[in-house]
Amino acid sequence: QPALTQPASVTGSPGQSITISCTGTTSDVGSYNLVSWYQQHPGKAPKLMIYEVNKRPSGVSYRFSASKSGNTASLTISGLQAEDEGDYYCCSYAGSSTVIFGGGTKLTVL
Amino acid sequence: EVQLVQSGAEVKKPGVTVKISCKVSGSTFTDDYIHWIQQAPGKGLEWMGLVDPEDGEAIYAAKFQGRVTMTADTSTDTAYMELTNLRYEDTAVYYCATAEVYSGGSVAWYLDLWGRGTLVSVSS
Repeated sequence: QPALTQPASVTGSPGQSITISCTGTTSDVGSYNLVSWYQQHPGKAPKLMIYEVNKRPSGVSYRFSASKSGNTASLTISGLQAEDEGDYYCCSYAGSSTVIFGGGTKLTVL
Repeated sequence: EVQLVQSGAEVKKPGVTVKISCKVSGSTFTDDYIHWIQQAPGKGLEWMGLVDPEDGEAIYAAKFQGRVTMTADTSTDTAYMELTNLRYEDTAVYYCATAEVYSGGSVAWYLDLWGRGTLVSVSS
């Protein structure tokens, strides 16, 4: 099963907002409100940032928000900060107790 | 504090088997599914499968089916991922991660806690 489709890279300036898209199919993103987003810094383990489409775990900044429409989920980071730089992965439940990740998006904060 | 402590780096030759461990501490082992995720150098995350420590049932991604076995030992609160017939392209960091099983039996399909990863290098 192909990975969910994410842009390879996104660039933003400090203080700006950026949005990362994540496109799946009716077998995954489109069928379940079970999309999550992970942030990964170089050499580190991924960190959960968003779960169940738009819920933020305790401790995650309010600057991170997310939504879903049809087969596409989106992660928005507002008020970009240098520490937001890293790789971001979307993930969706895909039925039959399986999960699928997106290909990842490299966020650069210039 | 809940922690997932993974075993150390491994160097293996092609064709052999590697078995990685993931010890859970600070929580009830059977309250979470344990997922395994592969990340090749410079590449993205790929879901390999999961194991339910409650009953030992495992679900595998199609790509790894037939070569991977995921198990859980409730006596030591440790999950294991065994990958057989190693290939050069299996060189990767392997992460374990937890997903909560709610009291009603439904499952959280997001990975809220991750181990630090185990590097497996396949080289002749």
